[in-house]
Amino acid sequence: EAGVAQSPRYKIIEKRQSVAFWCNPISGHATLYWYQQILGQGPKLLIQFQNNGVVDDSQLPKDRFSAERLKGVDSTLKIQPAKLEDSAVYLCASSLLYARGYEQYFGPGTRLTVT
Amino acid sequence: DAKTTQPPSMDCAEGRAANLPCNHSTISGNEYVYWYRQIHSQGPQYIIHGLKNNETNEMASLIITEDRKSSTLILPHATLRDTAVYYCIVRVGVDSWGKLQFGAGTQVVVTP
Repeated sequence: EAGVAQSPRYKIIEKRQSVAFWCNPISGHATLYWYQQILGQGPKLLIQFQNNGVVDDSQLPKDRFSAERLKGVDSTLKIQPAKLEDSAVYLCASSLLYARGYEQYFGPGTRLTVT
Repeated sequence: DAKTTQPPSMDCAEGRAANLPCNHSTISGNEYVYWYRQIHSQGPQYIIHGLKNNETNEMASLIITEDRKSSTLILPHATLRDTAVYYCIVRVGVDSWGKLQFGAGTQVVVTP
C-alpha cells in the first residue's frame, strides 16, 4: 500500500514570508497528524484531525500557523508569517480509527529552512 | 501523559542483541508503552506496544517489568539498518485521541 505522501520535501524561505505544506494520508485513514521536529529533538504534535474535524490543536501557534483537512482526506499546513525558529522538519502522519495499536504511519517530512 | 527516561545513546555490535532501556516510573494504569524508531532523514516508524504483558513481533520484543515502571526493547539480532533514534512513549489508551509525546530518544549505532 502507498505510504503517507508529503510535498515539498525541502523549502527555503525568508522570514516573514508564508509557506504551505501538503499531506496525502494513507487511503482510508481517518486520523491525520502534523508534527514539528526541530533538529536534535523528538517530533512535537501540532494538530490532530479526525476526518475533517480538529481533535487537538493545543500546541499549534495559532497566530501564525493554520491547518485544514477538507473532505477528510488531504491536508495543508500553513505558516504566515514565518519566523527563524520555525526552521524544522514538518511531519505528517495518519492512522486508522480502529486498528492494532492505532499505530501512526509517518511521511518523509518537509524540511523548512527560514533565513 | 507520563514522561519517559532513556539513555541518550548506545552502541551495539552487528548480529548481537540490542537491549534498549526505558524508565516510566509515573505511568498510570491505563497508559500503554509504545516504541517508535526514526532512521536518519525518515519519519518515525512504529515498532511495538504493550500494556503489562511482554510482547513480540517480527521486529522486536518488549519486556515490561511487573510494576510497569520500566521496560526494555530488544532487537534480537541487530543489523546496520537498525541504526536509528529509538523513542519510548507512554500513551493513554489505544484510541486515536491518545497523543504520542516524543522525548529525545536513544541514538543507537550498530557497528560492523
